[in-house]
Amino acid sequence: DGGITQSPKYLFRKEGQNVTLSCEQNLNHDAMYWYRQDPGQGLRLIYYSQIVNDFQKGDIAEGYSVSREKKESFPLTVTSAQKNPTAFYLCASSIRGLQPQHFGDGTRLSIL
Amino acid sequence: GNSVTQMEGPVTLSEEAFLTINCTYTATGYPSLFWYVQYPGEGLQLLLKATKADDKGSNKGFEATYRKETTSFHLEKGSVQVSDSAVYFCALSDPPNTGNQFYFGTGTSLTVIP
Repeated sequence: DGGITQSPKYLFRKEGQNVTLSCEQNLNHDAMYWYRQDPGQGLRLIYYSQIVNDFQKGDIAEGYSVSREKKESFPLTVTSAQKNPTAFYLCASSIRGLQPQHFGDGTRLSIL
Repeated sequence: GNSVTQMEGPVTLSEEAFLTINCTYTATGYPSLFWYVQYPGEGLQLLLKATKADDKGSNKGFEATYRKETTSFHLEKGSVQVSDSAVYFCALSDPPNTGNQFYFGTGTSLTVIP
């Protein structure tokens, strides 16, 4: 079955630590996205990538970094500069055109 | 610019009640419109979609009609069940030449009580 796999499902970060969230897709989609969701809130776009080796900042990119070295992978690093990282992180992918996004099951990040 | 405005929640209904969640949009082009559903602790699942004016998307008893004249895409279900309790997001896709193409509403939480 094709889909998007996010790992881990739960992640804990210590003060001053960088952590990396994994997102892998086998849908052969060109575009991939990272969103942050706070409790009871909507989705906020962190970064997106429309093609390998290229990515753009979304609305809340500060304190985050990404890479897109392979079509199927779009890891997100939450750096120590992100002072309030506790949230639910969602990865999505899509093809170009008027098609929907497909979402992973999310990673919940908490502070120790 | 593009945006999606969604009905504020939370919404609480009794089982078998009629559901309407309002969604209106602003778009520079001719977008596709979507409804997603999110169950607790999970990602978003596509519920239904419509790609052009007057299209009706439907799935699992839910329906929404793309109304260009009122720029709306309201979600309806005739008889809700407890299992429909979730958060519902309205979204649009409007691909520009460059840049992001997806825009989401803030989500509407639905609780159905027996």
